[in-house]
Amino acid sequence: QKEVEQDPGPLSVPEGAIVSLNCTYSNSAFQYFMWYRQYSRKGPELLMYTYSSGNKEDGRFTAQVDKSSKYISLFIRDSQPSDSATYLCAMSDTGGFKTIFGAGTRLFVKA
Amino acid sequence: SAVISQKPSRDICQRGTSLTIQCQVDSQVTMMFWYRQQPGQSLTLIATANQGSEATYESGFVIDKFPISRPNLTFSTLTVSNMSPEDSSIYLCSVEDQGATEAFFGQGTRLTVV
Repeated sequence: QKEVEQDPGPLSVPEGAIVSLNCTYSNSAFQYFMWYRQYSRKGPELLMYTYSSGNKEDGRFTAQVDKSSKYISLFIRDSQPSDSATYLCAMSDTGGFKTIFGAGTRLFVKA
Repeated sequence: SAVISQKPSRDICQRGTSLTIQCQVDSQVTMMFWYRQQPGQSLTLIATANQGSEATYESGFVIDKFPISRPNLTFSTLTVSNMSPEDSSIYLCSVEDQGATEAFFGQGTRLTVV
């Protein structure tokens, strides 16, 4: 079993839709949870990070962490074609080093 | 956040040759990492580049194949040695600073071995 599981997709949605991206994990020591966005032919860029459980909102993006279920989510409201990218979840333990990544979900937002 | 310059951005190489990838950071950072991302796959950690000592390699990666240098706190290189088509991949350097929680990435090097 992988430490982090993420459906690779692809996920295709119409413009304006609400997108839900999810990851599950097995290591209860993880405390820091990140979402990275990777455009084609680019390196991953940090989109959001959350410490421990709870929600965090930034514009159209909301990150949720449920440590009891070992489940994290990223919601994108009013999705735009420019949101088309691969989204990778990532997490690390309290030490903060050696981040573990999910497989990434490819998202296509159609105009 | 750290700004990372990675080069070359892409290269096409003959099998049996070696390629050295450079990673330059605009500030001193504690940890530098090298990842491989094969087509359609997630990031796989190759090694942690330690300043002043040998790199720490993950299972399945060895120093003879992927020698790494880290001469100071802002620079590292990864060499892909004796390349074969199976080494065709994107190679990314990443940095994390002491006490920080997120990683920052270079733009990646797209390597094609023919």
